[in-house]
Amino acid sequence: GENVEQHPSTLSVQEGDSAVIKCTYSDSASNYFPWYKQELGKRPQLIIDIRSNVGEKKDQRIAVTLNKTAKHFSLHITETQPEDSAVYFCAARPSISNFGNEKLTFGTGTRLTIIP
Amino acid sequence: NAGVTQTPKFRVLKTGQSMTLLCAQDMNHEYMYWYRQDPGMGLRLIHYSVGEGTTAKGEVPDGYNVSRLKKQNFLLGLESAAPSQTSVYFCASRGGKRYNEQFFGPGTRLTVL
Repeated sequence: GENVEQHPSTLSVQEGDSAVIKCTYSDSASNYFPWYKQELGKRPQLIIDIRSNVGEKKDQRIAVTLNKTAKHFSLHITETQPEDSAVYFCAARPSISNFGNEKLTFGTGTRLTIIP
Repeated sequence: NAGVTQTPKFRVLKTGQSMTLLCAQDMNHEYMYWYRQDPGMGLRLIHYSVGEGTTAKGEVPDGYNVSRLKKQNFLLGLESAAPSQTSVYFCASRGGKRYNEQFFGPGTRLTVL
């Protein structure tokens, strides 16, 4: 099955600086890579996702890059703000065309702290 | 729309007791999932369902059972609770126009003494 590794487990950055979180995956059949943000005591929520036919995707201050050859993808947050403090999870999923491929495999999470 | 709801929000059990967690969604989603979240372990899939009347095992299914008798509900059962099942449990659903996105419930914090 799929195995997703996420680094670092904790990350502290000064407000206004950039933050980068990296993930690697093992299953070359994976083609969907979402990122979820979980604030303290809250539920995880999707913030951005990318498919394998795209190398980069941006949404305002967040961006995700994907390197299929190396099997890794990264989350980039620019101009960080205090409200970016949260736990971020990456995930991977193979093509959903076959039964058994409907599930996401999550990384272990990165606790991001923005220092004012 | 209420989205995904979970009942109860908190529960304390003694070892050996049983309980059922209820997940309900009003988005007419086909797929539903149960995860547990433990510190440093991320979200681990317990069981999931691809439609009414179907269930399948996830990564950590031992000690849990599930049922999906109605499309909008997905029940997670613990027949004989153990301290190792102390965790936060999240339900999620997926389907509709935002087909890839999993929508999570608010979570249930379960403590087994």
